[in-house]
Amino acid sequence: GNSVTQMEGPVTLSEEAFLTINCTYTATGYPSLFWYVQYPGEGLQLLLKATKADDKGSNKGFEATYRKETTSFHLEKGSVQVSDSAVYFCARGNFNKFYFGSGTKLNVKP
Amino acid sequence: DSGVTQTPKHLITATGQRVTLRCSPRSGDLSVYWYQQSLDQGLQFLIQYYNGEERAKGNILERFSAQQFPDLHSELNLSSLELGDSALYFCASSVDSATYNEQFFGPGTRLTVL
Repeated sequence: GNSVTQMEGPVTLSEEAFLTINCTYTATGYPSLFWYVQYPGEGLQLLLKATKADDKGSNKGFEATYRKETTSFHLEKGSVQVSDSAVYFCARGNFNKFYFGSGTKLNVKP
Repeated sequence: DSGVTQTPKHLITATGQRVTLRCSPRSGDLSVYWYQQSLDQGLQFLIQYYNGEERAKGNILERFSAQQFPDLHSELNLSSLELGDSALYFCASSVDSATYNEQFFGPGTRLTVL
């Protein structure tokens, strides 16, 4: 099948802690992979993306590497801030169809 | 502000009714996508239009239909509404139909079916 699985939340961290949110996918072909972020009361915003194997997407201190051998696209950030508190969605797209993970809520405490 | 607008912001209606949700894409974007976000199903891709034509279909029910007009705005029609259709409906747009493009999401329309 075609799906995206990401770790369940909520994840609660202290400011400046290291963040990892796991994401794995199943797909035929070579999908594009995305991380989107949703702040309270808003629509989703693209955080980063990678379009081929071994690509690393990065933005605002967040990184994720497209690992075809493990079908993974884990999100990492070395030092989270309170302002990073949001819901994070892993997504994949290919053949013009898009599948999103269930979302992981991140709470960062000062 | 993503540049994508959706109306109305909130909609409350009864079972069996029909509603229309409207989306205006960012200026210059040719593709429009519709998504449904609910607590039990998460975020589900419904359908994509590109320059007026249907490009891809996801988990869209037969009771739902969409179209994209010559001015590129799009409408999602939901009919014979059921309680389970209560959800947040997002529209997104992108510059063209390529899968790797960034999608810009609107603020959503919250539909409540009573």
